[in-house]
Amino acid sequence: DAGITQSPRYKITETGRQVTLMCHQTWSHSYMFWYRQDLGHGLRLIYYSAAADITDKGEVPDGYVVSRSKTENFPLTLESATRSQTSVYFCASSDNSRKLLFGSGTQLSVL
Amino acid sequence: SQQGEEDPQALSIQEGENATMNCSYKTSINNLQWYRQNSGRGLVHLILIRSNEREKHSGRLRVTLDTSKKSSSLLITASRAADTASYFCATDPLNRDDKIIFGKGTRLHILP
Repeated sequence: DAGITQSPRYKITETGRQVTLMCHQTWSHSYMFWYRQDLGHGLRLIYYSAAADITDKGEVPDGYVVSRSKTENFPLTLESATRSQTSVYFCASSDNSRKLLFGSGTQLSVL
Repeated sequence: SQQGEEDPQALSIQEGENATMNCSYKTSINNLQWYRQNSGRGLVHLILIRSNEREKHSGRLRVTLDTSKKSSSLLITASRAADTASYFCATDPLNRDDKIIFGKGTRLHILP
């Protein structure tokens, strides 16, 4: 099905573990974004990508790593998870219109 | 720091009334967008207004943009229970650094 898919939908992990959140889009959009949503902070941009092999930091990149070897995939990795990274993570993509299309989110709990 | 700031943080109105939400931002923009988020769901794009536009309509939505004041407003007319959601503004900067930054949102609750 066309769209933007995030996986997993829910994830529980422990501090210090590496976690990868997946994002896949089928529109061949150039731009992809990762946001985290926390109560009281709204959505904050973690990383974004303008095209394959081009990524850049957003507002809160510390503790996260991204890659974009293929246009359709934009995984987000927490190298050593901390409790402060407990959040809901949203992936989004857009074409040159710059209108974002969002995935359903991944709810991550770090214990 | 976040680019857009919505006001009010929360708003409760009676069904049928109009709801107005405001957004202020800090830097020059290419466009400003409004999104809706229903509880537990992803955000949905509502409307985009470009920096050279002053007003835009889409159904019951009306968006205004004042670039001199760096502010925008979203008006929802004749509100319905289904409009209960959080509303976010997002700014697309003029400097084309590609970051699209969101505000903290306004929680709108439509009372029956």
